[in-house]
Amino acid sequence: AQTVTQSQPEMSVQEAETVTLSCTYDTSESDYYLFWYKQPPSRQMILVIRQEAYKQQNATENRFSVNFQKAAKSFSLKISDSQLGDAAMYFCASFGASGTYKYIFGTGTRLKVLA
Amino acid sequence: NAGVTQTPKFQVLKTGQSMTLQCAQDMNHEYMSWYRQDPGMGLRLIHYSVGAGITDQGEVPNGYNVSRSTTEDFPLRLLSAAPSQTSVYFCASSYRAFGVAGEGDEQFFGPGTRLTVL
Repeated sequence: AQTVTQSQPEMSVQEAETVTLSCTYDTSESDYYLFWYKQPPSRQMILVIRQEAYKQQNATENRFSVNFQKAAKSFSLKISDSQLGDAAMYFCASFGASGTYKYIFGTGTRLKVLA
Repeated sequence: NAGVTQTPKFQVLKTGQSMTLQCAQDMNHEYMSWYRQDPGMGLRLIHYSVGAGITDQGEVPNGYNVSRSTTEDFPLRLLSAAPSQTSVYFCASSYRAFGVAGEGDEQFFGPGTRLTVL
């Protein structure tokens, strides 16, 4: 079975500062992918960043980067130079690619950006 | 491309009524899925499909049925609506479920349907 845990229901960050959102996961799959999605008040789900579990190198997308610790089953998201537009719900998710073919989401972290 | 479309955007049902939430994608995606989003619960997988004619249960399948007769469409049926099914429902699709990692594993989401069951 897959589980995804986000232990921070809410986080705040000052504009231009850096914030890290935590995510831990558990899976029995040998091949899996990990994602961070952003959901602004519009409710639209937007992919922020993706990590293939077989890759050791941490994924980066502009101001967004991950710290993928495979042995610890940890997948945190770092947002640098935070902007007001980053305020949203952030969901961590896993996809089991070697058996279940299910996407499992965490419960989300609400990020507030303070001007 | 219209992407992933969902209809209706809003719906109010009475307990015991049945209805179908429609989902369609025009990206020739193999993989489609349905989620419900409730406060504090994140997105929970209801049913998913890895291709036309193939469906399987997710985390919370009870009270819902799906079918996948075409690649494009993946309707979700509520058999007998209950207040516990009040939620926001999202449909999503991705290029493929199998194979090598790459652009095929990102899910594209529809705009959601807000369902209220009285």
